[in-house]
Amino acid sequence: DSGVTQTPKHLITATGQRVTLRCSPRSGDLSVYWYQQSLDQGLQFLIQYYNGEERAKGNILERFSAQQFPDLHSELNLSSLELGDSALYFCASSVVGMADTQYFGPGTRLTVL
Amino acid sequence: GQQVMQIPQYQHVQEGEDFTTYCNSSTTLSNIQWYKQRPGGHPVFLIQLVKSGEVKKQKRLTFQFGEAKKNSSLHITATQTTDVGTYFCAGPERDSNYQLIWGAGTKLIIKP
Repeated sequence: DSGVTQTPKHLITATGQRVTLRCSPRSGDLSVYWYQQSLDQGLQFLIQYYNGEERAKGNILERFSAQQFPDLHSELNLSSLELGDSALYFCASSVVGMADTQYFGPGTRLTVL
Repeated sequence: GQQVMQIPQYQHVQEGEDFTTYCNSSTTLSNIQWYKQRPGGHPVFLIQLVKSGEVKKQKRLTFQFGEAKKNSSLHITATQTTDVGTYFCAGPERDSNYQLIWGAGTKLIIKP
């Protein structure tokens, strides 16, 4: 158990819909990262937050957005969903967010029908 | 942009055979990290290498960081079924140092 929690574990929705994925980092970690992993693929970095502020952006679509709240939990919002958005979405946290060791949550499996 | 290439993409071995995955960065890295993702699981941190030429061992796993700090390898001796999974390397993004640049991973498959 990494100490990072993600909800929900599974999410099934239809094209065009909007969903919110939630992540709580390890106690004491200030930085949160979001990754997308399509079936049998690598990890695609989406976005990073540090202490409530956006710090780095990867290949995140405009239909996706995220935020980190004062209690440090983070949410990833995916809208106008397409079939190709079906994937595992991981949240990871680290202490200071300077490319230090990342601790991953169990992931949310999103299926878009 | 900065890239971390990892090969091979897949490696099929008989149980008891050795396994090696290689990582090559387009830029010099301040450190390199290795993670393992079991089937159906999430990536788990294995180790970080910092020094040029560094070699670290964890039981049957040997990690090396190249002299130029641009390449790295993970070698598993006498693979076991518990080694099955995907092994990722990752290094800090050079300009900002905020995020990790990830290799595509090497999937270790044990032949039945």
